[in-house]
Amino acid sequence: GQNIDQPTEMTATEGAIVQINCTYQTSGFNGLFWYQQHAGEAPTFLSYNVLDGLEEKGRFSSFLSRSKGYSYLLLKELQMKDSASYLCAALDSNYQLIWGAGTKLIIKP
Amino acid sequence: GAVVSQHPSRVICKSGTSVKIECRSLDFQATTMFWYRQFPKQSLMLMATSNEGSKATYEQGVEKDKFLINHASLTLSTLTVTSAHPEDSSFYICSARAARAYNEQFFGPGTRLTVL
Repeated sequence: GQNIDQPTEMTATEGAIVQINCTYQTSGFNGLFWYQQHAGEAPTFLSYNVLDGLEEKGRFSSFLSRSKGYSYLLLKELQMKDSASYLCAALDSNYQLIWGAGTKLIIKP
Repeated sequence: GAVVSQHPSRVICKSGTSVKIECRSLDFQATTMFWYRQFPKQSLMLMATSNEGSKATYEQGVEKDKFLINHASLTLSTLTVTSAHPEDSSFYICSARAARAYNEQFFGPGTRLTVL
């Protein structure tokens, strides 16, 4: 079956760095997405990786290892507004998104 | 990124009534639209996938006669919750994707449905 695993909740301190991991098992693979979702709002796109390696975009970076079925989202210089849920989603062979349950990130001052 | 709108953003209705939610792609042609439901503190649950001009494909466990989806144009899809009940209260979110743009799926702002 298809499955996405990510931690349920993480806590970090303002100004610090946090890494949110995601492992996936899908029928085929056409890329991995990270979305940010604040409470009561729709998800917003953060990143898309289809090739191995690290992609940096400002304070956020995303890494992919296709051979390991593994990705992480790295958030630097954490700000209070980064408190949100972070959703990992893999695109399978039918180009359908398979969603993880999301990681709730709590930022403390 | 591209813009997807949803209307209404919030709706409160009585049990037994029907509610229509619209999803529009404002600056691109959405050949595929997705409808999700999200209960509090849970992840997104895909309800159905609709391709312009054809019938929607519903996920297992989603009643097609209760959740009517129409995708009649490249910029508009509608979800109608028929005979709504309190257990249908949820956050409904649509997303849209252009033809072959598999790495780009844009979300609408969501519709909060409360059924009394």
